[in-house]
Amino acid sequence: GQSLEQPSEVTAVEGAIVQINCTYQTSGFYGLSWYQQHDGGAPTFLSYNALDGLEETGRFSSFLSRSDSYGYLLLQELQMKDSASYFCAVRHSGSARQLTFGSGTQLTVLP
Amino acid sequence: DGGITQSPKYLFRKEGQNVTLSCEQNLNHDAMYWYRQDPGQGLRLIYYSQIVNDFQKGDIAEGYSVSREKKESFPLTVTSAQKNPTAFYLCASSARQATNYGYTFGSGTRLTVV
Repeated sequence: GQSLEQPSEVTAVEGAIVQINCTYQTSGFYGLSWYQQHDGGAPTFLSYNALDGLEETGRFSSFLSRSDSYGYLLLQELQMKDSASYFCAVRHSGSARQLTFGSGTQLTVLP
Repeated sequence: DGGITQSPKYLFRKEGQNVTLSCEQNLNHDAMYWYRQDPGQGLRLIYYSQIVNDFQKGDIAEGYSVSREKKESFPLTVTSAQKNPTAFYLCASSARQATNYGYTFGSGTRLTVV
């Protein structure tokens, strides 16, 4: 089976940098994705890492270490609108595109 | 604009009743998925379909059924066998040729048993 662990809550102030970690256990790992979900809304795709290293997209970056079964999402220059839940998800050999999601990290950005 | 439409947004079900949640996409995506989300929790996979007329059970398929008669549509039926159906249901799709394997999600249906 697959399991993912991420912190349940993170709090930071506007303008700061925050890192949300994700560790996973899975058979046949293909890649790690990150999604953002505002309260009651649809999750939106943020990033996908298949190879080790850092991927940067604007204020958001995502990192993967396959040897450590670990990844993180880095959010810079935090804004109030970044307050949301962030989910890591693994793509695994169970199916070509099936994702298994973590339980999510609730990020609260304070003024 | 392309996207995924889920309807209804809110649905109330009586005990012992079957209800069907609609999911339609105009993204020309091959694969479609149904996830269930309970308060403060992650998304759990109910069913998925890679192509028309084919679908597979996910982690929590008991008490649910689906069909995939058209590429654009993937309705989910919550049957009376599902003992705790109150949850937020999310439909998603993905393209076969997408290299980032990103999912596009609908806005969800919130189902409540009354």
